[in-house]
Amino acid sequence: DVKVTQSSRYLVKRTGEKVFLECVQDMDHENMFWYRQDPGLGLRLIYFSYDVKMKEKGDIPEGYSVSREKKERFSLILESASTNQTSMYLCASSMGTNTDTQYFGPGTRLTVL
Amino acid sequence: GQSLEQPSEVTAVEGAIVQINCTYQTSGFYGLSWYQQHDGGAPTFLSYNALDGLEETGRFSSFLSRSDSYGYLLLQELQMKDSASYFCAVRDGTGFQKLVFGTGTRLLVSP
Repeated sequence: DVKVTQSSRYLVKRTGEKVFLECVQDMDHENMFWYRQDPGLGLRLIYFSYDVKMKEKGDIPEGYSVSREKKERFSLILESASTNQTSMYLCASSMGTNTDTQYFGPGTRLTVL
Repeated sequence: GQSLEQPSEVTAVEGAIVQINCTYQTSGFYGLSWYQQHDGGAPTFLSYNALDGLEETGRFSSFLSRSDSYGYLLLQELQMKDSASYFCAVRDGTGFQKLVFGTGTRLLVSP
């Protein structure tokens, strides 16, 4: 059974803190993605990676960075958290040539106070 | 760029049939995907259409018309558990392996 896991289900941080969100997949997928989901705005892509150490900006990369040192792990970093980064963060993965089928993790609900 | 339009909310009763529409504008088209997301849950893949016509998977079917840049998800014999948000998605036209999602349609099924 395919599985994408995220390090935390709920997270509360303070403004200015550095925040790490971890995502691990066990399907040997090439592609990994970070989205944020806000009411009425759907899923918006922050960053994605199509190979180890490779990363590409999505639609809303400002204020975020990512790291992919191993194929199975993709980390999202908020360098200095702000209140407008309060959101649901979803990680996903897909096979190299079949990105239409993405497998999502359970999400991390991040609150920045 | 890519853009997708879907209704924000649809309501129906148990046992009924409901259709959720999606129109898209793309600079390059590979196919249309559908995802389901229950409140508090993760999106899960439902179906994918690359060619025109109807694809059936149990109670759910998905249709695509490439000439009309239009697709729909058809849910039959509705059950309470079908209450969820449904997202259509298309592949980004840049050639990278990423999707652009619609803003989602919230389906409310009542008894």
